[in-house]
Amino acid sequence: GIQVEQSPPDLILQEGANSTLRCNFSDSVNNLQWFHQNPWGQLINLFYIPSGTKQNGRLSATTVATERYSLLYISSSQTTDSGVYFCAVEANDYKLSFGAGTTVTVRA
Amino acid sequence: DGGITQSPKYLFRKEGQNVTLSCEQNLNHDAMYWYRQDPGQGLRLIYYSQIVNDFQKGDIAEGYSVSREKKESFPLTVTSAQKNPTAFYLCASSLGFALSGANVLTFGAGSRLTVL
Repeated sequence: GIQVEQSPPDLILQEGANSTLRCNFSDSVNNLQWFHQNPWGQLINLFYIPSGTKQNGRLSATTVATERYSLLYISSSQTTDSGVYFCAVEANDYKLSFGAGTTVTVRA
Repeated sequence: DGGITQSPKYLFRKEGQNVTLSCEQNLNHDAMYWYRQDPGQGLRLIYYSQIVNDFQKGDIAEGYSVSREKKESFPLTVTSAQKNPTAFYLCASSLGFALSGANVLTFGAGSRLTVL
């Protein structure tokens, strides 16, 4: 199956800092999504982004499908951004494969 | 408000016992999913259902069973055959099975199962 690698595994930020999270995948994908899991376990969808660039407030994402990677940018980080960020991809079987996640800790 | 309700939030079980985790959605979604999350790992697909009365095995179905008798409900039974059941279990749903920008996964709050 498709392999999904996320880096870095852990990230500690001072409030107000910017950061970039990376997701590499091993094959062509039809679908790529970024999720945020808060410290209580709730996952929410941030972006559906199989290609191109999208922005939502302080978050933005870029996927370069031909080079098999996606980036998630967090600008002016806040303590509420803490949690685990997952990248998930789908090749051609309608099932999402998740990476291991990047754990982000934002300190006040 | 529409959403997915999972219960119980925390569950303790003795070895050899079957347990059933509940997942109910009021989003009128056709597709439902069960994922397992272990510490430091991504989510792994246990079972999924594209429509009522139909379900398919995911990547780690051994030791689990499901049913989909109603559109709103997709309960997961963790059987005694599951060798390492302690984990965080997440239920999700989507409008249809083919995910898109207009059809993303919505997750419940999860159920944490601990085997004593």
